[in-house]
Amino acid sequence: DAKTTQPTSMDCAEGRAANLPCNHSTISGNEYVYWYRQIHSQGPQYIIHGLKNNETNEMASLIITEDRKSSTLILPHATLRDTAVYYCIVRPSTGTASKLTFGTGTRLQVTL
Amino acid sequence: EAGVVQSPRYKIIEKKQPVAFWCNPISGHNTLYWYRQNLGQGPELLIRYENEEAVDDSQLPKDRFSAERLKGVDSTLKIQPAELGDSAVYLCASSWTGGAYEQYFGPGTRLTVT
Repeated sequence: DAKTTQPTSMDCAEGRAANLPCNHSTISGNEYVYWYRQIHSQGPQYIIHGLKNNETNEMASLIITEDRKSSTLILPHATLRDTAVYYCIVRPSTGTASKLTFGTGTRLQVTL
Repeated sequence: EAGVVQSPRYKIIEKKQPVAFWCNPISGHNTLYWYRQNLGQGPELLIRYENEEAVDDSQLPKDRFSAERLKGVDSTLKIQPAELGDSAVYLCASSWTGGAYEQYFGPGTRLTVT
């Protein structure tokens, strides 16, 4: 699986957009970009995933560059409850269900 | 819909003692995963089941760890004997089978070995 690089930590003011970057320069053609987050003392929670088109759901938007070597997760209006560790994961899309290879993620702190 | 259920939530044991963790996946999810998460790190896969079959256990320390998934639903992860380095959060996750479906995680069991 391709390796990802994320900043260790970020801060965001409540109500503002949180933009979390991820580099995955070795991503291959059949690999999706997944985002999970982990709130303190909870298990990881799925947020969104995409292949090459931008994606949006009720939680967030995912912007993938045209060369697919990087992506950005956008939380449009961050709240205190969005404080968590955010993991960017690259994962094959075909074949049997595959494991998630987590890095250390980005610790997002949302402040008043 | 009920999520992934794990018990116990917390466990404190002395080294060399046995310990077991239980997981009940989301109804209908045939794939079940056990992960271990050390402090400050992301989760790492220990074992993956497709129904009753362990299809990826390459990261499971087989000298002291064992797992089972009888009838392809609930699963138990056991450590015997526990070592100080086994202190971690043990997470269970489940997903649909086939393709790269998203995984749903339980709250985890925090194990402390003293």
